[in-house]
Amino acid sequence: AQSVTQPDIHITVSEGASLELRCNYSYGATPYLFWYVQSPGQGLQLLLKYFSGDTLVQGIKGFEAEFKRSQSSFNLRKPSVHWSDAAEYFCAVGAFGGATNKLIFGTGTLLAVQP
Amino acid sequence: DADVTQTPRNRITKTGKRIMLECSQTKGHDRMYWYRQDPGLGLRLIYYSFDVKDINKGEISDGYSVSRQAQAKFSLSLESAIPNQTALYFCATRPRRNTGELFFGEGSRLTVL
Repeated sequence: AQSVTQPDIHITVSEGASLELRCNYSYGATPYLFWYVQSPGQGLQLLLKYFSGDTLVQGIKGFEAEFKRSQSSFNLRKPSVHWSDAAEYFCAVGAFGGATNKLIFGTGTLLAVQP
Repeated sequence: DADVTQTPRNRITKTGKRIMLECSQTKGHDRMYWYRQDPGLGLRLIYYSFDVKDINKGEISDGYSVSRQAQAKFSLSLESAIPNQTALYFCATRPRRNTGELFFGEGSRLTVL
């Protein structure tokens, strides 16, 4: 069965520091992978997505993620965090095909940014 | 105006009451979804619909029902609300021909006392 694991429930970084949020997935075929961000009181916004091709994908707000098939990972990175990046981040894998047509989300990582 | 609109944004109700959450979209997408978000559990799929005649259960459909009144409208009902249905509910849409990105509403926070 498809699944997504985000091992870090809560992360705190200092403003200006680098960030890496971990995501591991389980999926039988080539996955569609996504990172979404949820700011307080808001819906989810897509940061970036991977379908095929270059395994390093660039997203909005200076984020990037790298797909590593051998590790079943899709970690999100940012070289320098801003206070406005404080939010909850969700990794998701797309399960499409046959009777399946949905995104499966991880449990989220809550990011706090210290001044 | 938001492309995916949920009403109400906040609702407090009592155990046993019927509650309906509504979702409307102006994006012209034919796929619509209802997710539930709970702290520490992420988002879990309740129901999804490919078009007005195609409704599918998600992983946690018990205690919920849906209605796809039109391409643009997808409602979620709790026939007899219970306290463990207290959660943040999200509607999402996507077009038939895309690579899976969902477009979310701003959420409906439901509290069942």
